[in-house]
Amino acid sequence: QVQLVQSGAELKRPGASVKVSCKASGYTFTGHFIHWVRQAPGQGLEWMGWINPKSGRTNYAQNFQGRVTMTRDTSISTAYMDLSRLTSDDTAVFYCAKLDWGSVEVYWGQGTLVTVSS
Amino acid sequence: QSVLTQPPSASGTPGQRVTISCSGSSSNIGSNTVNWYQQLPGTAPKLLIYTNNQRPSGVPDRFSGSKSGTSASLAISGLQSGDEADYYCAAWDDSLNGWVFGGGTKLTVL
Repeated sequence: QVQLVQSGAELKRPGASVKVSCKASGYTFTGHFIHWVRQAPGQGLEWMGWINPKSGRTNYAQNFQGRVTMTRDTSISTAYMDLSRLTSDDTAVFYCAKLDWGSVEVYWGQGTLVTVSS
Repeated sequence: QSVLTQPPSASGTPGQRVTISCSGSSSNIGSNTVNWYQQLPGTAPKLLIYTNNQRPSGVPDRFSGSKSGTSASLAISGLQSGDEADYYCAAWDDSLNGWVFGGGTKLTVL
């Protein structure tokens, strides 16, 4: 079965960076985009961008451009999301997801809580 | 400010039917299909409806979706206490080349 397993919770200082991993299994990793979604406490879902694991090509939402970098390691079927210059507004749960358009094959990771605090 | 517009809250009594609306634009709902997600506290979103009105296996037929023009709606009939959750609409946006979400609707079963 398809699974997306994310790395554990992180506590970061303002101005630092965080790197969240997302290990995929149960399907062909290079055949489907991986998307990242942020959810601040009590807030809605905010799409951050996608990475094409086959080519490494990325597309970032404007709100995150310049601060986010999405990468992948196809040898271990793992995607990464690196967010820099963290502020308290980045305190949130970050999800990786396989969000195939027009398909029932939609899967989410369990989420990674990132807390930004001094 | 979310790209797709949903009412922040909705409510109903057990057994009632409630609908949640989702308004977008020509570059998202007007051009592409809509998904709906249910999110229970502390859990990842769960796909409830895909391609406007299709239910994944295991989703009760009490849940239904529709789309017209640049708007979509989710209907829940025979409301149950277990339906209390946050509901999000989502659509692919051709201008952004990515997904856009609604701000979410918190459903309360009175």
